[in-house]
Amino acid sequence: GAGVSQSPSNKVTEKGKDVELRCDPISGHTALYWYRQSLGQGLEFLIYFQGNSAPDKSGLPSDRFSAERTGGSVSTLTIQRTQQEDSAVYLCASSLRQGGYTEAFFGQGTRLTVV
Amino acid sequence: GQQLNQSPQSMFIQEGEDVSMNCTSSSIFNTWLWYKQDPGEGPVLLIALYKAGELTSNGRLTAQFGITRKDSFLNISASIPSDVGIYFCAGQLQIPIFGPGTSLSVIP
Repeated sequence: GAGVSQSPSNKVTEKGKDVELRCDPISGHTALYWYRQSLGQGLEFLIYFQGNSAPDKSGLPSDRFSAERTGGSVSTLTIQRTQQEDSAVYLCASSLRQGGYTEAFFGQGTRLTVV
Repeated sequence: GQQLNQSPQSMFIQEGEDVSMNCTSSSIFNTWLWYKQDPGEGPVLLIALYKAGELTSNGRLTAQFGITRKDSFLNISASIPSDVGIYFCAGQLQIPIFGPGTSLSVIP
C-alpha cells in the first residue's frame, strides 16, 4: 500500500490476555520501528528492525513484550499477560534508510485498552 | 539515555500570529525531524534536517538544525486553524528519539 498500515485500529482486551498488533510497512522500506504513546505523552521507543540485522530491543519495557518481523516486511508486536498500564496507542513506522535518507513514516496506530 | 526537551509545552495563539517552538538535547544527533500529530492519527513528517546549521523551509514552516547539533527550532508563520495539533521534534542517529511535544491551539 501507499502508507504504513496497522491493525487492528482499536483493541480492547481483558487483563492477563495476550494481544498481537500488526504492522505492514511501506513497500521497500528496510527499517521498521515500534513506539508506544500513552495518553497525552510523547512517543516511547520500543524496538527497531533494520534489514536482516538483529533487532534493537533496548526500548521494550518488560519481557512480556516481543516483536517479530517476517521476511523483512510485516511485523507483529506481541504483549503477553497484558496489564492495565499497557493501555496506550502503539505506533509503527518504517523508513527507507538509503544513504542519508532516513525519515520515518508512521501508521495511524493501534489503540490498546486493557480492562 | 537520550532525552529531548521541547518548549513551550503548550501555546494558545491568535490566527495569523507567528509561532516559534524549540527542541534541545544533551546528546548530539545527525538528523533532526519535526512531526505534527492530529488527534487519532500517527505523526506526519513536516521537515527533515541533515546538516548542522541547515535552515529549511516548507511553505509557512521553517526549521533549523542547531550548529551544536543538540538543538533545533521550528517556526510557523501566519498561523491558521488547521495548524492545531501536537508538534514533536525527533533527533536521530539510528533511531528517532522523540521529544514530549508542543501542543498548539489556534484561536480563530
